[in-house]
Amino acid sequence: DIQMTQSPSSLSASVGDRVTITCRASQSISNFLNWYQQEPGKAPKILIYGASSLQSGVPSRFSGSGSGTDFTLTISSLQPEDFATYFCQQCYSNAGFGGGTKVEIK
Amino acid sequence: QITLKESGPTLVKPTETLTLTCTFSGFSLNTFGVGVGWIRQPPGGALEWLTLIYWDDDKRYSPSLQSRLTITKDTSKHQVVLTMTNMDPVDTATYYCAHRHKFLTGNMNYFDSWGQGTLVTVSS
Repeated sequence: DIQMTQSPSSLSASVGDRVTITCRASQSISNFLNWYQQEPGKAPKILIYGASSLQSGVPSRFSGSGSGTDFTLTISSLQPEDFATYFCQQCYSNAGFGGGTKVEIK
Repeated sequence: QITLKESGPTLVKPTETLTLTCTFSGFSLNTFGVGVGWIRQPPGGALEWLTLIYWDDDKRYSPSLQSRLTITKDTSKHQVVLTMTNMDPVDTATYYCAHRHKFLTGNMNYFDSWGQGTLVTVSS
């Protein structure tokens, strides 16, 4: 069973800030890592798949990197609509999610 | 356009069995590579993957919940059914079903469409 650990669990940032969220897998998952955004009261939405591929329609300020066990989601310039919770998910063996990172307004 | 919708009881008692139905449109569960998963989220908590069923009726379960879960599909009705036995108050959560997209080559996959979720409360 692959465990996914996200950090930080929450962060405060201002509009225009660069934000980085990390995700670590308990074993190598190659690039089988996805990122989702969840707004309050809504279902998650896919942002990035395969560690670094941007889903169609997702703004280019979102980017992902990493392989093996360590991954990063970066928002280059935080916008008001980006205040949400972000989850990583491994798709290497079945599925499993990280604990989430809540991005709050500073 | 892919849509999914969860249905079932909003309140169950401890020790009872929960049955949730996911009714979908816009895809067929007979198509190679397609899967439907169930994911839950306790209030204010993280997403937890529960189970997946694939086009070929292969089924996968979360190791920690495997003994309590059953997933089935009815392709003619465009439905996937989740059964969870011996419900406990800690199982109180919003339950989502989601379409698993898989590329034609390789094994890359992700949940690209989700239902709105249904909140299930476990209480006597």
